[in-house]
Amino acid sequence: DAGVTQSPTHLIKTRGQQVTLRCSPKSGHDTVSWYQQALGQGPQFIFQYYEEEERQRGNFPDRFSGHQYPNYSSELNVNALLLGDSALYLCASSKLRPGQTLRSGNTIYFGEGSWLTVV
Amino acid sequence: DAKTTQPPSMDCAEGRAANLPCNHSTISGNEYVYWYRQIHSQGPQYIIHGLKNNETNEMASLIITEDRKSSTLILPHATLRDTAVYYCIVRVYNNDMRFGAGTRLTVKP
Repeated sequence: DAGVTQSPTHLIKTRGQQVTLRCSPKSGHDTVSWYQQALGQGPQFIFQYYEEEERQRGNFPDRFSGHQYPNYSSELNVNALLLGDSALYLCASSKLRPGQTLRSGNTIYFGEGSWLTVV
Repeated sequence: DAKTTQPPSMDCAEGRAANLPCNHSTISGNEYVYWYRQIHSQGPQYIIHGLKNNETNEMASLIITEDRKSSTLILPHATLRDTAVYYCIVRVYNNDMRFGAGTRLTVKP
């Protein structure tokens, strides 16, 4: 049973460029969330996707956008990259529905992340 | 608003039990306590969760106080591979997990 998989694992972009990160959720999971983790800090929630729609968003600008496909896989797009966008980007999946509080049995699982360096 | 307080760092001798505390004095009655850990450069790994009762799995034990205002994660026989940042999380809504700064556990030989 594959867990959450992300690609690419590492990438380097130049300021102003655009980047797309990809995620395949754990088998049986249909809700995908994205997190940004700056060096030395805990992960910060970017947004959640369920049924191919963005359901909740954290405090991130519109430069951050996403997509979810019918097979539940997801993409994170970041436009007009800034140096401050350099971080580990984590994908998480679960069976947690929008509006639900986490309960036993709906554990959230994380991928290994994509390291983005903006130069 | 992580709602949790953890010591920034702890050391533990290899083979000994590691006891990681977490204060969550404002926890709501229906909020679970979740523990994750993050080994350097990897994604957070689920460890264990609980509501009121103590819980144990193959990785760890979770002790929650009767008033639910604090909990302790216990790694019974710590190994060098347990060196990581450990996060105690009580606020999860809409897949938005509120991570705090966590505790950096260093297991020493």
